[in-house]
Amino acid sequence: NAGVMQNPRHLVRRRGQEARLRCSPMKGHSHVYWYRQLPEEGLKFMVYLQKENIIDESGMPKERFSAEFPKEGPSILRIQQVVRGDSAAYFCASSPAEDTQYFGPGTRLTVL
Amino acid sequence: AQKITQTQPGMFVQEKEAVTLDCTYDTSDQSYGLFWYKQPSSGEMIFLIYQGSYDEQNATEGRYSLNFQKARKSANLVISASQLGDSAMYFCAMREGPSGSRLTFGEGTQLTVNP
Repeated sequence: NAGVMQNPRHLVRRRGQEARLRCSPMKGHSHVYWYRQLPEEGLKFMVYLQKENIIDESGMPKERFSAEFPKEGPSILRIQQVVRGDSAAYFCASSPAEDTQYFGPGTRLTVL
Repeated sequence: AQKITQTQPGMFVQEKEAVTLDCTYDTSDQSYGLFWYKQPSSGEMIFLIYQGSYDEQNATEGRYSLNFQKARKSANLVISASQLGDSAMYFCAMREGPSGSRLTFGEGTQLTVNP
C-alpha cells in the first residue's frame, strides 16, 4: 500500500510566479489536509478537504492561496504570485476518516 | 495561548538509554486525541503513536510509549533503548473535539542520540 505521494519534492519559483503542489492520498483515504512548515517551526494547519469539498480552510491565507481535491486526480495546493515569505515545506496528510493522519514527504518550495 | 507546549528544544541521550520528551496541552474539549510524529533530517513526517482522551491505558507501540496524565494535561513520549536512528525532531500534536480534523503541533524537540 503506497503511502501519501507528493510532487514535486522540490520546487523553485521566482517572485510573482505560480506554484502548484500535488498530493495523492493513500489508497482508501478520502480526507486530505495541507500543512505548512516554516524553517525551524512546527507544522501549521492550512486546509482540510474531502472529495470535491473544502471542509475547513481557516488556516489558509486569504489571498493567493487556494486548494482543491477533485473527484478524479490528486489534491492541488495552488499559490499565485509567490513571494519570498512563501518559502517553506508544504506537507499533505491523508486519513480514511477523521482519524490518524499520515503524511507525505513534503514539497520544499523556494522562492527566489 | 499555546495549545501544545514542548519545553525542550533539544535533548541528548546515550545509545541504549531511555528518554522522555515532554508535551503539555491545553483544551477545554472532553474528547481529543494526542499524537507524536518524528521528523528525521530527510524531512518526512512519520507517525509514531496515538492516545485518545478516553483511553484508559497508556498507548504503546514497540519502543515508544505515551505517558498520558490527563489531570496534568501532559502526554510525554518515552523512547526506550534509544538507537542512533532515533536522532530526529519530534513533534507532539493534538486534535480537538469528537469530529475534529486539524492537528495543532508543538514547536518540536530535537533529539540527539550519542553513541
